[in-house]
Amino acid sequence: GNSVTQMEGPVTLSEEAFLTINCTYTATGYPSLFWYVQYPGEGLQLLLKATKADDKGSNKGFEATYRKETTSFHLEKGSVQVSDSAVYFCALGGKLIFGQGTELSVKP
Amino acid sequence: GAGVSQSPRYKVAKRGQDVALRCDPISGHVSLFWYQQALGQGPEFLTYFQNEAQLDKSGLPSDRFFAERPEGSVSTLKIQRTQQEDSAVYLCASSIGGDYTEAFFGQGTRLTVV
Repeated sequence: GNSVTQMEGPVTLSEEAFLTINCTYTATGYPSLFWYVQYPGEGLQLLLKATKADDKGSNKGFEATYRKETTSFHLEKGSVQVSDSAVYFCALGGKLIFGQGTELSVKP
Repeated sequence: GAGVSQSPRYKVAKRGQDVALRCDPISGHVSLFWYQQALGQGPEFLTYFQNEAQLDKSGLPSDRFFAERPEGSVSTLKIQRTQQEDSAVYLCASSIGGDYTEAFFGQGTRLTVV
């Protein structure tokens, strides 16, 4: 069946560091791919999405590219801020299959 | 309302008690999803509605779990004879519909079974 695997956290970075959170998937067909974020004390919210192969989703300085050949959708940001501290979830479209989440902590 | 609303926000139930969790989706959203999120884990799919039709209930862990959306709007997730392993945050999400559309999540109901 469909599944999503994320790199384990927690990930701790200094402000302005480069961020990569790996996400790979197994799916039949070509579903949409999403990154959701959960800030402390808040609900899940969509960060970005890509609906087909080679699409790049981007928002708030984050980006991810739908790679069919490597079945991946890695999240990247060139310079993280303290306010980016949150838990990030990769998800497969349709009924939304989530990865286990990666906690990011950014230190000043 | 402006977003997905879930109630109650917190529920403590004694083992063996029945509980009902409510979800008010965004008005006009066709699709409605329920998820179970254990501490430190990602949300696990429970069930999916398109309007009033329950199209997928493959994630419901046992026959003690039951969900309905009789008029295609408000949905209720019912858990009968609760057990300690049912303790989790239950999330509801709604979307306009379709694989590619954004799902909007509620704040969740934290259920603790004691």
